[in-house]
Amino acid sequence: AQTVTQSQPEMSVQEAETVTLSCTYDTSESDYYLFWYKQPPSRQMILVIRQEAYKQQNATENRFSVNFQKAAKSFSLKISDSQLGDAAMYFCAYRSPFGNEKLTFGTGTRLTIIP
Amino acid sequence: EADIYQTPRYLVIGTGKKITLECSQTMGHDKMYWYQQDPGMELHLIHYSYGVNSTEKGDLSSESTVSRIRTEHFPLTLESARPSHTSQYLCASSDRPGTGSNTEAFFGQGTRLTVV
Repeated sequence: AQTVTQSQPEMSVQEAETVTLSCTYDTSESDYYLFWYKQPPSRQMILVIRQEAYKQQNATENRFSVNFQKAAKSFSLKISDSQLGDAAMYFCAYRSPFGNEKLTFGTGTRLTIIP
Repeated sequence: EADIYQTPRYLVIGTGKKITLECSQTMGHDKMYWYQQDPGMELHLIHYSYGVNSTEKGDLSSESTVSRIRTEHFPLTLESARPSHTSQYLCASSDRPGTGSNTEAFFGQGTRLTVV
């Protein structure tokens, strides 16, 4: 079974600065998908960024980028120019293309933005 | 914005009552999921469905049941609510990986259930 580990329960960053959230995972599969989801307080879980394991190039979405290290099974999220609206719980998730294709989540990192 | 809706958003109910949490999506997704999430914690899969008339239990044991009579609708039912059922329930849907760019799951806003 796959597992996802987020070792930082809480992080904080000054507004306009850069922060990196860590995620490692364990799998025996060679093909899979990785995601970062954002869950603002009392609001909907939304996708921040996705990475297909077969792609060597790191995904980027505006101020959000990932550092995907397949051999190390590491998938960190970098948020540049942090904004107050980035404050949320961030979940790293793994999805297998096989079986029930469920998402396996990490325990989350609560990100606080300091004005 | 994701077209997946959950009702109610908040529910406070007495022990022993029967409840149904509604989830509907308009994206035509075959796969639907129910996750349970305690405050500040990770999500655990409790039910999933591959399509109409297909339901399976997830990783976390749950006393709830689900049905999938229509593609767009995936309700979750608790026959007799107990305080231990107090939690947030998130519904999600997804398309099959490899069918395009839609490899992620879309989530509803969740139902926060409190059983007193």
